[in-house]
Amino acid sequence: NAGVTQTPKFRVLKTGQSMTLLCAQDMNHEYMYWYRQDPGMGLRLIHYSVGEGTTAKGEVPDGYNVSRLKKQNFLLGLESAAPSQTSVYFCASSYSSTGLTNTEAFFGQGTRLTVV
Amino acid sequence: SQKIEQNSEALNIQEGKTATLTCNYTNYSPAYLQWYRQDPGRGPVFLLLIRENEKEKRKERLKVTFDTTLKQSLFHITASQPADSATYLCALDLSGNTPLVFGKGTRLSVIA
Repeated sequence: NAGVTQTPKFRVLKTGQSMTLLCAQDMNHEYMYWYRQDPGMGLRLIHYSVGEGTTAKGEVPDGYNVSRLKKQNFLLGLESAAPSQTSVYFCASSYSSTGLTNTEAFFGQGTRLTVV
Repeated sequence: SQKIEQNSEALNIQEGKTATLTCNYTNYSPAYLQWYRQDPGRGPVFLLLIRENEKEKRKERLKVTFDTTLKQSLFHITASQPADSATYLCALDLSGNTPLVFGKGTRLSVIA
């Protein structure tokens, strides 16, 4: 049982390049999230999805797009990378987010992205 | 404005003592509060969840309290060990399809 897997683990991009980060979960979770983590800023939500085919903006969505074509996958795209997007990106998933049961989030190992 | 604050960026404690971490929030009404542990270079890992109608929750050496009047949660590690050194994050579970809101974390160092 792999849990949440992020690809790639590390990447260096030049300003203006594009890339896609892939998140895959094998727990049949409905909810998936993309966070970025910067020193002194904590985890900030970029986009999230409450089910296959749905996406919603989080706290810091500008410069990113997402897609959830399959329940198990959540893709994060950077169309034109900027140095301000240098960060560690975490994907997470949870069974639900209704506050009833099983709302704890399972995180991937992170993707360290540097934009030069 | 809405805020979630963890009392300090870093906390140093002697091995064997009880570590107490604080999470305060403003202008939120969480139904639940969660605590996570994060080791360097790794993603956060869930530790405990406490509901708004629970005063206290325990799991082995961990204890969490939740005071909705004070808008505060305390996270205790008793008989702390160097292996407990990590960053601890609190997260508000607001329910209603709203994602978790995380604090910035407290970096705990347990010194032998």
